[in-house]
Amino acid sequence: KAGVTQTPRYLIKTRGQQVTLSCSPISGHRSVSWYQQTPGQGLQFLFEYFSETQRNKGNFPGRFSGRQFSNSRSEMNVSTLELGDSALYLCASSFKMDTNTEAFFGQGTRLTVV
Amino acid sequence: LAKTTQPISMDSYEGQEVNITCSHNNIATNDYITWYQQFPSQGPRFIIQGYKTKVTNEVASLFIPADRKSSTLSLPRVSLSDTAVYYCLVAYNTDKLIFGTGTRLQVFP
Repeated sequence: KAGVTQTPRYLIKTRGQQVTLSCSPISGHRSVSWYQQTPGQGLQFLFEYFSETQRNKGNFPGRFSGRQFSNSRSEMNVSTLELGDSALYLCASSFKMDTNTEAFFGQGTRLTVV
Repeated sequence: LAKTTQPISMDSYEGQEVNITCSHNNIATNDYITWYQQFPSQGPRFIIQGYKTKVTNEVASLFIPADRKSSTLSLPRVSLSDTAVYYCLVAYNTDKLIFGTGTRLQVFP
């Protein structure tokens, strides 16, 4: 079956702009979580959605937001982009919202803010 | 303050066993430890998950002592294709998912 699909794979934006990233989970998976990966900070948890509701949230400013649709697809939005937002954004899906459930990651969206 | 730490890097040779340790002092009682492997330009890939004592699957073993303040990923007989970054993931109080700092494993022929 198809894996987790993230679009676009690469993105270049200017400071102050906003960006929307998309994640299509594995069919049947209802939990989607987002992570930011940078060389300096490593992998950091952004938030998790289950059944269209945000269930958990990491320590990121309000400029970072997301949502999940009824088909479990999820979008992540970053407003007023800063240079420090340049990172690889990863999405992971799992069958249920449970830290003890195996999560499958997409290949990520590499965002560059100039 | 919840923190998950790992050695920055490790070197090994093909055919050797590699053990990577992750420290997680404030792990919650009911939370599991999960290990992921990541190759360049790819998302992390699940390796193994455990709660206590020992778990083994076809690619790795995971050892967790009774106090659960650390865990050790064991890769038997590594090959060149095991060269990657390995992360442990711990959930603190189930609402704070924290990845370890990552261990870059380099396997030499």
